[in-house]
Amino acid sequence: EPEVTQTPSHQVTQMGQEVILRCVPISNHLYFYWYRQILGQKVEFLVSFYNNEISEKSEIFDDQFSVERPDGSNFTLKIRSTKLEDSAMYFCATLGTMSNYGYTFGSGTRLTVV
Amino acid sequence: AQKITQTQPGMFVQEKEAVTLDCTYDTSDQSYGLFWYKQPSSGEMIFLIYQGSYDEQNATEGRYSLNFQKARKSANLVISASQLGDSAMYFCAMSPFSTDYKLSFGAGTTVTVRA
Repeated sequence: EPEVTQTPSHQVTQMGQEVILRCVPISNHLYFYWYRQILGQKVEFLVSFYNNEISEKSEIFDDQFSVERPDGSNFTLKIRSTKLEDSAMYFCATLGTMSNYGYTFGSGTRLTVV
Repeated sequence: AQKITQTQPGMFVQEKEAVTLDCTYDTSDQSYGLFWYKQPSSGEMIFLIYQGSYDEQNATEGRYSLNFQKARKSANLVISASQLGDSAMYFCAMSPFSTDYKLSFGAGTTVTVRA
């Protein structure tokens, strides 16, 4: 079964540093998403990406965040200057066509900001 | 905007018994999908079951069934014959069949299965 691959699985970074979280979507999927989950809490939507551009972003997704698909395969989430409150699990998810309606989640990147 | 409400923060269930997890939602969309995910302590999101808003029959997947009441905007998950491995966090989620199909989640319910 096709998988969404996220790297790294765990990253520790110092406050103020930039981090890039990577996701390799399923090849024929069209919609890509990033979600955030602070430990033990709700899964929060960050951003959706379709046709090589952002289609929607939440209020959490401020100027410190950006996404891109630089080489047509990897889908990245960049946090420019990390804060302590950015510590969370970050999930990438992808959605295929309507004939294959279903989201596939990556296994997540646990980001710890110290 | 969609709102998903799970009112049970935590539940205990005896092994081999059934448990019902409540989920209500609010949306102005006519077409949408409802999902349940399981998140064990290892953290991954595991898809359990899907119900389309126009599906007339309740969805079932093995020991999981979804009690869909469209007029009441509820989509409760029933886990039958609970197993110790069912202990996890369970999330109800919804996506409209429009725009970017963004999936929105409820707050989750922690289920603990007792031997």
